[in-house]
Amino acid sequence: DTAVSQTPKYLVTQMGNDKSIKCEQNLGHDTMYWYKQDSKKFLKIMFSYNNKELIINETVPNRFSPKSPDKAHLNLHINSLELGDSAVYFCASSLASDSPLHFGNGTRLTVT
Amino acid sequence: RKEVEQDPGPFNVPEGATVAFNCTYSNSASQSFFWYRQDCRKEPKLLMSVYSSGNEDGRFTAQLNRASQYISLLIRDSKLSDSATYLCVVRRYGGSQGNLIFGKGTKLSVKP
Repeated sequence: DTAVSQTPKYLVTQMGNDKSIKCEQNLGHDTMYWYKQDSKKFLKIMFSYNNKELIINETVPNRFSPKSPDKAHLNLHINSLELGDSAVYFCASSLASDSPLHFGNGTRLTVT
Repeated sequence: RKEVEQDPGPFNVPEGATVAFNCTYSNSASQSFFWYRQDCRKEPKLLMSVYSSGNEDGRFTAQLNRASQYISLLIRDSKLSDSATYLCVVRRYGGSQGNLIFGKGTKLSVKP
């Protein structure tokens, strides 16, 4: 199946821990993104990579570090997790930076 | 004022009804416009792009009014399966180049 896939789907962890979310797309897209959707359903961009290079880095704590080993992968590592990090994190990709987005099915992160 | 604003709803309509959503955007530098659909606990999916001349896709019609800075979505002959949250999305260039800004969404519930 051609898709954007992210793992894990659910992640429950304690404050202070470090965790990673992986994302892979087999659509041949050049641009990948991480979005955060909070409890109020507001979807906000965190990062954007084009061909492994960072092009957008919104106001996100530096505890969040994206890593793109190749243009098909964009992983998100989070250090020292806080309660406020609880949200759904969506990975997405697009053919080019001005094309529509294809989203992964989300990772629901709960920090206790 | 948020950059993209939508009435959160919910809009509760009977099957077969026609329903319209509006969305306003504040940044006149916005260049591209989209409607996405998000089902409960799922990822957003592109419904349709919005073109200056207006465009139609089956029962769905999208309009753009640049002078008044608003976008609309009209759904005719509503189906139960149209129940979802509809996200208005604006692409802004400059600053965070090619950044997609999402509205908080309008919830639609179609009843039998």
